[in-house]
Amino acid sequence: EAQVTQNPRYLITVTGKKLTVTCSQNMNHEYMSWYRQDPGLGLRQIYYSMNVEVTDKGDVPEGYKVSRKEKRNFPLILESPSPNQTSLYFCASSVAGGGTGELFFGEGSRLTVL
Amino acid sequence: GQQLNQSPQSMFIQEGEDVSMNCTSSSIFNTWLWYKQDPGEGPVLLIALYKAGELTSNGRLTAQFGITRKDSFLNISASIPSDVGIYFCAGTNFGNEKLTFGTGTRLTIIP
Repeated sequence: EAQVTQNPRYLITVTGKKLTVTCSQNMNHEYMSWYRQDPGLGLRQIYYSMNVEVTDKGDVPEGYKVSRKEKRNFPLILESPSPNQTSLYFCASSVAGGGTGELFFGEGSRLTVL
Repeated sequence: GQQLNQSPQSMFIQEGEDVSMNCTSSSIFNTWLWYKQDPGEGPVLLIALYKAGELTSNGRLTAQFGITRKDSFLNISASIPSDVGIYFCAGTNFGNEKLTFGTGTRLTIIP
């Protein structure tokens, strides 16, 4: 089954404790992206990647890092989480760049930073 | 970064009613998309529009690409309980890796 898989789905952590949210897709997509969803703000892009070793900032990259060492994986790293990073995070992938617009999303990871 | 404004923010309707929502942008897009997010899940693509003035249907859903290329509309006819969720518009341009999402319209169906 074609899918985007995120882990963990739920996480409660404390300020400053480094964490990684993993994302894996099995569709051989070149494009992958991370979004955060907050009430009233919709989906905002954090980082995206056009291909292996190619990453770029989205609209809200501060406090986040990403890496793309393999085509299928695109982890999101919070080096020193803060309460304002409490949010619902989505990983997404697309066959040919975000410009095609047809993204496949994971089920989301709800993060709470205390 | 830019966000698209969706209206209304939320809707409370009865089963069987028709629904209309829209999305506006301060800049032009050459692709408009509509996604739906079911509770507890990620968004799923409903309809994609690639040409100004285009009207596209997917079952009970109909979406239009505004002539100005700065807006789009989504209509749902004869709503049913499974229509509940958040509807997001999104805009992009060919050659641009960035997809800009709207703020969302939350649809609730009153029993």
